Amino acid sequence: EPEVTQTPSHQVTQMGQEVILRCVPISNHLYFYWYRQILGQKVEFLVSFYNNEISEKSEIFDDQFSVERPDGSNFTLKIRSTKLEDSAMYFCASSDLGFNGYTFGSGTRLTVV
Amino acid sequence: EDQVTQSPEALRLQEGESSSLNCSYTVSGLRGLFWYRQDPGKGPEFLFTLYSAGEEKEKERLKATLTKKESFLHITAPKPEDSATYLCAVPTGTASKLTFGTGTRLQVTL
Repeated sequence: EPEVTQTPSHQVTQMGQEVILRCVPISNHLYFYWYRQILGQKVEFLVSFYNNEISEKSEIFDDQFSVERPDGSNFTLKIRSTKLEDSAMYFCASSDLGFNGYTFGSGTRLTVV
Repeated sequence: EDQVTQSPEALRLQEGESSSLNCSYTVSGLRGLFWYRQDPGKGPEFLFTLYSAGEEKEKERLKATLTKKESFLHITAPKPEDSATYLCAVPTGTASKLTFGTGTRLQVTL
């Protein structure tokens, strides 16, 4: 069964450092997303990406965040200067048209110290 | 404002004891309702998508139903391996984002 792959599974970084979280979406999907889940809280939408541009972003997704699809297979989330409150699980997801096959990866646990 | 509310927050069942989880939603123009299972430290795992009131879908011991205001996830004769958090989500906004409920944490004991 096709899956969304995320690396690394766990990343520890110092406050103020830049981090890049990586994702390989399902190959024939057209929409790509990042979500986050702070421990004990609900899954929250960050950003959606379609046709090589951001289609929607949440209030959380401020200037410290950026996304990129550098090639035909990878999708990345960059946090420029991490804060303690950025500590969370970050999930990548992808889908086909009409929300078909909306699939999540297993996540990257980001810990900012 | 689009909202998704799940109840109960937590549910403890004995093996074989059937029950239902609720997801109520307030969204203009429902474009589907998703159920996911989430194990600790893992990503949401897709279970079902329902698109219209009256629709039902089944998978093993799980059955999801949809009305105009809520969805139920019925668990029949659960086993300990069904223990997980069950998440409900609906598409909101202009693009394909999902708005999630807080989930129901299910524990099934022997």
